[in-house]
Amino acid sequence: IQMTQSPSSLSASVGDRVTITCRASQSISNYLNWYQQKPGKAPDLLIYAASTLQTGVPSRFSGSGSATEFTLTISSLQPEDFATYYCQQSYSTPRTFGQGTKLDFK
Amino acid sequence: QVQLQQWGAGLLKPSEILSLTCAVNGGSFSGYFWSWFRQPPGKGLEWIGEINQGGSTSHNPSLKGRVTMSVDSSKDLFSLNLSSVTAADTALYYCARGTWTLPGTHYYWDVWGNGTTVSVSS
Repeated sequence: IQMTQSPSSLSASVGDRVTITCRASQSISNYLNWYQQKPGKAPDLLIYAASTLQTGVPSRFSGSGSATEFTLTISSLQPEDFATYYCQQSYSTPRTFGQGTKLDFK
Repeated sequence: QVQLQQWGAGLLKPSEILSLTCAVNGGSFSGYFWSWFRQPPGKGLEWIGEINQGGSTSHNPSLKGRVTMSVDSSKDLFSLNLSSVTAADTALYYCARGTWTLPGTHYYWDVWGNGTTVSVSS
């Protein structure tokens, strides 16, 4: 299953509301996870099952969608949110990621 | 708190075998899938494969049968071997814990190792 994210990069400012889109090449129900990765670090799980926030993740992060279209929204960007975000389908193997969305300072 | 500690050779020549090991510290080894990933420089994440305590495996077909994974439950270790490496296998390699939600429908990786840089060069 191919996962496609848009945009590939995004410039924003602290306090902005940001939305990242992820599309699957076939329906994956809500078997969709989101990860955040900072340079030189391993990814961190943000959201699983399309909309369930992982324990400890700030509530400014939210996820929605089903079937083939999903979104990750950050309601008010904080300095620590500038990172690369990946969607990933857990519907079937091989497990696949989107190509990533790099979020940087405007 | 569960931590994954990973290690392995960082510099290989073409045709050699990449070998990495990941130790599970501070948590249960059973009930999870233990996974491997890689990330070429400046690129995205690629799932390599996964194995459970019982030795059941799944791997990415893109690696064309070069992947072998194993577990040592007595030591809470799992390992990855990737044969016949080329420069295209140069990447940062991660291990991670794959977790199923209850009642076992959704699957995600919630604990990651720090990564091992592997370079392949003649």
